[in-house]
Amino acid sequence: GIQVEQSPPDLILQEGANSTLRCNFSDSVNNLQWFHQNPWGQLINLFYIPSGTKQNGRLSATTVATERYSLLYISSSQTTDSGVYFCAVERGEGNTPLVFGKGTRLSVIA
Amino acid sequence: NAGVTQTPKFRVLKTGQSMTLLCAQDMNHEYMYWYRQDPGMGLRLIHYSVGEGTTAKGEVPDGYNVSRLKKQNFLLGLESAAPSQTSVYFCASSWPGAKSDTQYFGPGTRLTVL
Repeated sequence: GIQVEQSPPDLILQEGANSTLRCNFSDSVNNLQWFHQNPWGQLINLFYIPSGTKQNGRLSATTVATERYSLLYISSSQTTDSGVYFCAVERGEGNTPLVFGKGTRLSVIA
Repeated sequence: NAGVTQTPKFRVLKTGQSMTLLCAQDMNHEYMYWYRQDPGMGLRLIHYSVGEGTTAKGEVPDGYNVSRLKKQNFLLGLESAAPSQTSVYFCASSWPGAKSDTQYFGPGTRLTVL
């Protein structure tokens, strides 16, 4: 099956710093999503981004489908950004479930 | 809208006991999913459903059964719980489409099997 690798596995930032999280995948995809799991366990969808670039406030994401990677940018990080960020992909065969990476654990320190 | 809800939120079982986890969504989504999350493993798909009356196996289906008798509900059953099934279980739903197949997650159920 498709492999999804996220890096780095752990990241510690000072409040106000910027960061880039990476997601590599091993096959073509027709669906890629970024999720944030907060410290209380709730999973929130951040972006649906099978290709191209999107921005939402301090967060933005870019997927280069031809090179099989996606990047999540966090600017001016805040303590509320802490948690685990997951990348999940769906293969290009249509109507197949998402496959999740193991996540990047982000800790933002005041 | 309540979105995706899960009951119960916490449960402790003894080995060999059975239980059912309930997932409900009020967004009229066709697709529903059950995942388990273990430390360092991310989320792994147990079973999923692409519509009322249909179910399919995911990555880790052994030891679990599911049913989708109503569109809004997706049940996950453990017939004989084992300590290896200690995990956090998440339900999700989505409306499949070419433009935005976003999955919405419930708050999770923390299950401990002794």
